[in-house]
Amino acid sequence: QKEVEQDPGPLSVPEGAIVSLNCTYSNSAFQYFMWYRQYSRKGPELLMYTYSSGNKEDGRFTAQVDKSSKYISLFIRDSQPSDSATYLCAMLARDDKIIFGKGTRLHILP
Amino acid sequence: DVKVTQSSRYLVKRTGEKVFLECVQDMDHENMFWYRQDPGLGLRLIYFSYDVKMKEKGDIPEGYSVSREKKERFSLILESASTNQTSMYLCASSYTLRQPQHFGDGTRLSIL
Repeated sequence: QKEVEQDPGPLSVPEGAIVSLNCTYSNSAFQYFMWYRQYSRKGPELLMYTYSSGNKEDGRFTAQVDKSSKYISLFIRDSQPSDSATYLCAMLARDDKIIFGKGTRLHILP
Repeated sequence: DVKVTQSSRYLVKRTGEKVFLECVQDMDHENMFWYRQDPGLGLRLIYFSYDVKMKEKGDIPEGYSVSREKKERFSLILESASTNQTSMYLCASSYTLRQPQHFGDGTRLSIL
């Protein structure tokens, strides 16, 4: 089983919809969780990070961590065409190594 | 805001050439990283450095070396470029190993 699994997509949703992006992980020792956004031909940009289970909100973005299910989510409210990008989850293991998901491609349709 | 700058956005080289990719960060970060990113394979760590002149191998170091002579600068070297090293190369930095990494915009390298 891979350490971090993320559906590659593409995920296409209409403008204004709520988007749900997800990652599952196998290692219960993962300590904190990040979401990056990567536009085409650009580097990944840190969106959010959180240490604890539960929700963390920043504007239209909400990161959710469920450590008991080993599942993290990123919700985007009122999605915009400018949200079209690849979203990567990432997690910190006990050996201080960051493990990245392979990314989900998201298309917001005007 | 953290700024990680990679010297070239696009680079075309020939097989057998020695290739240098440069990265500079302006936030006094201790740690710097080199990744390559390929479709379907995601980000793979090549090397990282936790201090000046210190380096550690990542998951795929073969065919690569690195140099960190100054804290702000981290170079990736392809000793003898091969076509299977055609890829997007991403540099990142972080203050500690336990904090999120900040990425540059990448160098798209083609080896012909």
